[in-house]
Amino acid sequence: GENVEQHPSTLSVQEGDSAVIKCTYSDSASNYFPWYKQELGKGPQLIIDIRSNVGEKKDQRIAVTLNKTAKHFSLHITETQPEDSAVYFCAAIDSNYQLIWGAGTKLIIKP
Amino acid sequence: DSGVTQTPKHLITATGQRVTLRCSPRSGDLSVYWYQQSLDQGLQFLIQYYNGEERAKGNILERFSAQQFPDLHSELNLSSLELGDSALYFCASSAGQHNTGELFFGEGSRLTVL
Repeated sequence: GENVEQHPSTLSVQEGDSAVIKCTYSDSASNYFPWYKQELGKGPQLIIDIRSNVGEKKDQRIAVTLNKTAKHFSLHITETQPEDSAVYFCAAIDSNYQLIWGAGTKLIIKP
Repeated sequence: DSGVTQTPKHLITATGQRVTLRCSPRSGDLSVYWYQQSLDQGLQFLIQYYNGEERAKGNILERFSAQQFPDLHSELNLSSLELGDSALYFCASSAGQHNTGELFFGEGSRLTVL
């Protein structure tokens, strides 16, 4: 079955710098890859997603890239701000249309 | 505000007891998902209902059960509670049954078992 690995588990960056979180998946048939952000005390919220027919998608300071050959996808956050501090989860959909989640990355933005 | 409502927000109970968590999905959404999140852990999928029927099962213990009612709200029942059941329980909803669109999460029910 599908397996999703997410790295790093914790990422600390200086405010204004970029942050990159990487995920790998095992099932080459996976075709939908969302990223969720979980702020402290709240439920996860979708921030961006990508489908397998595109290689990159951007939304302001956030971008996701997908490499189907290597079976990995990454979240890029540019010009990080304090409000970007949160836990980020990647996920991939399996053949039963279930989301398989990464373990999460705690992003810390240092002032 | 995601539009998903979970009650209660906090619950403290003793080992061996039974509790019920309730979820009202976003208006129009037919799918309801239950997730467990232990301290500093990831999201563990428990179960999904679509339009009243069980759609998919994850790592849900036999002591746990859920249902979705005709008005589409859902309840998660946790029985014979153990200390290790202490966690945040999230409900999420979506329009379709196939997880290929956005999941809208509630703010969670924090369960503490003493």
